[in-house]
Amino acid sequence: GENVEQHPSTLSVQEGDSAVIKCTYSDSASNYFPWYKQELGKGPQLIIDIRSNVGEKKDQRIAVTLNKTAKHFSLHITETQPEDSAVYFCAARALPANTDKLIFGTGTRLQVFP
Amino acid sequence: SQTIHQWPATLVQPVGSPLSLECTVEGTSNPNLYWYRQAAGRGLQLLFYSVGIGQISSEVPQNLSASRPQDRQFILSSKKLLLSDSGFYLCAWIFPGLGLHTQYFGPGTRLTVL
Repeated sequence: GENVEQHPSTLSVQEGDSAVIKCTYSDSASNYFPWYKQELGKGPQLIIDIRSNVGEKKDQRIAVTLNKTAKHFSLHITETQPEDSAVYFCAARALPANTDKLIFGTGTRLQVFP
Repeated sequence: SQTIHQWPATLVQPVGSPLSLECTVEGTSNPNLYWYRQAAGRGLQLLFYSVGIGQISSEVPQNLSASRPQDRQFILSSKKLLLSDSGFYLCAWIFPGLGLHTQYFGPGTRLTVL
C-alpha cells in the first residue's frame, strides 16, 4: 500500500524566513497531494493541494512543488509569520480511487519565532 | 455551503464504559465519510471509511466500530473502552461527485479514557 514519509518532524525559523517541508510517497499511481495545517486542539485545515498533472502551485505565501519522477513533493512557506506556527501534514491519495482515502505523513511541527 | 459537525467536543470516560461519537455533514449528499484517530503529538490514523449508507470499511483491527445509519451521519462506537482508545477523533468528508478528492475535517472530539 501507499506510504508517505515527511521531514523534518520539527522546524524552527525566524519570522520572515522561509520554511520548507518535504514528503515522499511510494505509489507512483497516486495523483493528488494535499497539505493540511493543524492548530492546537483543532481539526486539520486544507491549505493547498496539487494534482499530478502540474509541477507547481502557488497561493500567496504558500507554494507546493511536485516531482513525479522522484515521487516527492514539498511545501514552501515564504515570509513566515508567528501565526504560521502549527503542525503541517502532507498526504497522498491512495488507491483504489473510488475510496478517496488519504495516506498522511507523520507531521511537521513548525515554530516561527518573532 | 458545506459544514461538518462533531459531538461531543470533549469526553472523559472510564475504562470499560461504552462510547458513541457522532459526525454529521450538512450541505451535501452522498459524501464519503472517514473516521481518524490522532494520538497525542502523533499523525492521523484512518480507522473507518464509508462510501454509502450501511457501507463501512475498517482499516485496522481494534476495539471500535462504525455505522452510517443515514446518508450524512457517521457514528463511532465501542462497547467497552480501553485506555489505549484515548485520543483526538476526527471525522472527515469528501464529495466524490466533484472529482476534486479534497477531504474536509471536522473540529474533532477529544476522548480521555481513565
